Amino acid sequence: DIQMTQSPSSLSASVGDTVTITCRASQSISRYLNWYQQKPGKAPKLLISAASYLERGVPSRFSGSGSGTDFTLTIRSLQPEDFATYYCQHSYSTPITFGQGTRLEIK
Amino acid sequence: QVQLQESGPGLVKPSETLSLTCTVSGGSISSSNYYWGWIRQPPGKALEWIGSIYHTGSTYYNPSLKSRVTISIDTSKSRFSLILTSVTAADTAVYYCARQEGAPYGGCDYWGQGTLVTVSS
Repeated sequence: DIQMTQSPSSLSASVGDTVTITCRASQSISRYLNWYQQKPGKAPKLLISAASYLERGVPSRFSGSGSGTDFTLTIRSLQPEDFATYYCQHSYSTPITFGQGTRLEIK
Repeated sequence: QVQLQESGPGLVKPSETLSLTCTVSGGSISSSNYYWGWIRQPPGKALEWIGSIYHTGSTYYNPSLKSRVTISIDTSKSRFSLILTSVTAADTAVYYCARQEGAPYGGCDYWGQGTLVTVSS
């Protein structure tokens, strides 16, 4: 199985800040990487697919980059509604696996 | 707008069988562009893919659960189902159904709201 490791596991930031979350795959996955946002008690929401493709309706302050084994999710000008947990997921092969999550909290 | 809705018992006894159904509306479960998956999330933990199914009935399972999992599909009723046998407390989780883009390992662009299943006597 491909292991996905996110860092940091938690992050404190203020409204207006820019934050970066990193996801590393245990082997090369080309650009087959997705990012999700999950709020408490809710299902995950797909934000970015194929490493950098912004899903419809997702604000442009979200961006993704990377290829191979190293990927990043950047959120610019944090808004109150962005405080949530973020997960990466590879789409390279079965079994798909998710990172352990990064909890973004308000400072 | 595609919608998915999980249904099934919220409490299952240890060693018994967990059975959930996901009903799809607003889109065709027989579309050639999508797969249909089950993902679970134990309380306070990360997401775990259980398995996926295509409208033809082709299935793909997580090896860690494969011996206990069966996923089936009923296209006439626009729904797919999950069976997990011999459950233990470790199977307590919120179970989600989701639509996957293009492949059984595709991203999940639509999700159900999730249903909490507790394994307890």
